[in-house]
Amino acid sequence: QVYLQESGPGLVKPSEALSLTCTVSGGSVRSYYWSWIRQSPGKGLEWIGYIHNSGSINYSPSVKSRVIMFLDTSKNQFSLNLTSVTAADTAIYYCARVVGAVPAANFDYWGQGHLVTVSS
Amino acid sequence: DIQMTQSPSSLSASVGDRVTISCRASQFVSGYVNWYQQTPGKVPKLLIFAASNLQSGGPSRFSGSGSGSDFALTITNLQPEDFATYYCQQSYSTPWTFGQGTKVEI
Repeated sequence: QVYLQESGPGLVKPSEALSLTCTVSGGSVRSYYWSWIRQSPGKGLEWIGYIHNSGSINYSPSVKSRVIMFLDTSKNQFSLNLTSVTAADTAIYYCARVVGAVPAANFDYWGQGHLVTVSS
Repeated sequence: DIQMTQSPSSLSASVGDRVTISCRASQFVSGYVNWYQQTPGKVPKLLIFAASNLQSGGPSRFSGSGSGSDFALTITNLQPEDFATYYCQQSYSTPWTFGQGTKVEI
């Protein structure tokens, strides 16, 4: 069984950076693609991007200019950094494992979700 | 971006009913559509992948169909635990996108 757990601050000030980490257990981040997905009342589920140990990275155009994802194989973690946040970035952030060869990909394991509120 | 439009946005049903949720893609997505179930306060859970494949452990009352740009999720013999919100999602091209959700209510 694979478990994912998000961690990071729950409150971020506008214009600052949001940083989240997903710790994976029961599997290695060296395998599979790994994604971040967020959910806000106004926009539903939104895919943010994916990362693979091969160096393959793909970001959604909606955040591409503000986002960086990276993998730490020594800690079996992957992380999200989103800069210049606004209230529109307030959401529950999920990390998820991507299974299947693109384009036949899906999210089979999800973290519990981490609420991030952007407010001064 | 490929838009995924679900219909209806919500529906009311009873235990034992058969329910069908539609999902239409704004462009051709072949068979690369997945379906997720989310109960209130819980994490989305993969139900169907690649349009019609039941995820391991998923109840057989769930089935998916469709190809091209029109897809459907059908629940036969609706159970109390099935009252939830269902999302379709395309993985044909990035950015991967989700439908707005269909809430199945009692």
